[in-house]
Amino acid sequence: QVQLVQSGAEVKKPGASVKVSCKASGYTFTNYGISWVRQAPGQGLEWMGWISAYNGNTNYAQKVQGRVTLTTDTSTSTAYMELRSLRSDDTAVYYCARVVGSNYRWFDPWGQGTLVTVSS
Amino acid sequence: DIQMTQSPSSLSASVGDRVTITCRASQSISNYLNWYQQKPGKAPKLLIYAASSLQTGVPSRFSGSGSGTDFSLTISSLQPEDFATYYCQQSYSSPHTFGQGTKVEIK
Repeated sequence: QVQLVQSGAEVKKPGASVKVSCKASGYTFTNYGISWVRQAPGQGLEWMGWISAYNGNTNYAQKVQGRVTLTTDTSTSTAYMELRSLRSDDTAVYYCARVVGSNYRWFDPWGQGTLVTVSS
Repeated sequence: DIQMTQSPSSLSASVGDRVTITCRASQSISNYLNWYQQKPGKAPKLLIYAASSLQTGVPSRFSGSGSGTDFSLTISSLQPEDFATYYCQQSYSSPHTFGQGTKVEIK
């Protein structure tokens, strides 16, 4: 079955960087994009960006642009999200999701989430 | 950016009730609208895409409607497993923004 499995929880200090992985299985990785969404504690969902697993094209939310880099490794069907210059308000659960559709787009399935805690 | 506003923010309902959640976009998004369900401590799950298409495996008591700026998600007969938070999302233009969520609680 189609599945996205993310790396484990991270604790980082302010100013540090974090890199979260998202390993895909059950489908042809390069046929779909991957989006990243985060959810601060008790809050809603915030779209961070998208990467094409086919050609590496990216699109980032303005709020994190300049601090976030999305990449893929097609040899291992894994997507990565790196966030730099971490602040306390980056504390959140980070999700990857497969992007389905070319005109209409929706997210399915989602990874299980990775908690990133930023604290001194 | 397109703003998505859901109402209500929360509601209390009983098993068997008909429940409707609305989502309004700040500009026309045609039918580029998705609905997700999220249970505590879990990842969101796709329910409806393109405003009214039911995702495979999702019970038929869930339905979506709307076009332009106004959309709704209806649960025809609320079941115990439906108590969760529901989010709408527009995929008309980047960033693919979400509504703030509607929490459906047990009355």
